[in-house]
Amino acid sequence: LAKTTQPISMDSYEGQEVNITCSHNNIATNDYITWYQQFPSQGPRFIIQGYKTKVTNEVASLFIPADRKSSTLSLPRVSLSDTAVYYCLVGPANQAGTALIFGKGTTLSVSS
Amino acid sequence: GAVVSQHPSWVICKSGTSVKIECRSLDFQATTMFWYRQFPKQSLMLMATSNEGSKATYEQGVEKDKFLINHASLTLSTLTVTSAHPEDSSFYICSARDGQGIGGELFFGEGSRLTVL
Repeated sequence: LAKTTQPISMDSYEGQEVNITCSHNNIATNDYITWYQQFPSQGPRFIIQGYKTKVTNEVASLFIPADRKSSTLSLPRVSLSDTAVYYCLVGPANQAGTALIFGKGTTLSVSS
Repeated sequence: GAVVSQHPSWVICKSGTSVKIECRSLDFQATTMFWYRQFPKQSLMLMATSNEGSKATYEQGVEKDKFLINHASLTLSTLTVTSAHPEDSSFYICSARDGQGIGGELFFGEGSRLTVL
């Protein structure tokens, strides 16, 4: 499974846009990119998933360049409640028997 | 959407006792479930892959005799920490993938906090 590299931590203020970039140089052809959010003492929560170009949902956008060796999670107008650890995971889709391996994640701290 | 539920959410036990944690997929069938462990300030570490009707597959360094996994049905996997010791205190998280979902999204349980005294 492709290894991912993210910044260890990021700081932001309420109302700002936050972009977290993840590197996955060894991504395979059938791998999807998935981002999860985790609050203390809770299981990870799905944010967004994509394969190429741009994906947007009600909480975030995911930008994936043509070579797919990196991806950027964009959180618009963050609030204090967005303070959490964000994980970028890469792995094959529709393979129920394949686990996802977590990297160190990015700890986002949002201040007022 | 698909939900994975764990029970108990937290448990305290004495050293030397065994503790069982349940993981259920509530609205989908999961032939495979995954167990992770997370220590404070660290990332999730995959412990084992639980396979319905067969033996679990353990990651390197995880003692299969200490962490017993049973996946007796398509919606239930259990993790039993046998003869627990303080160093087993951790946050245990299960997950399962809904194979019918787009991209095969991986759903996680709420986690179970184990404290061994």
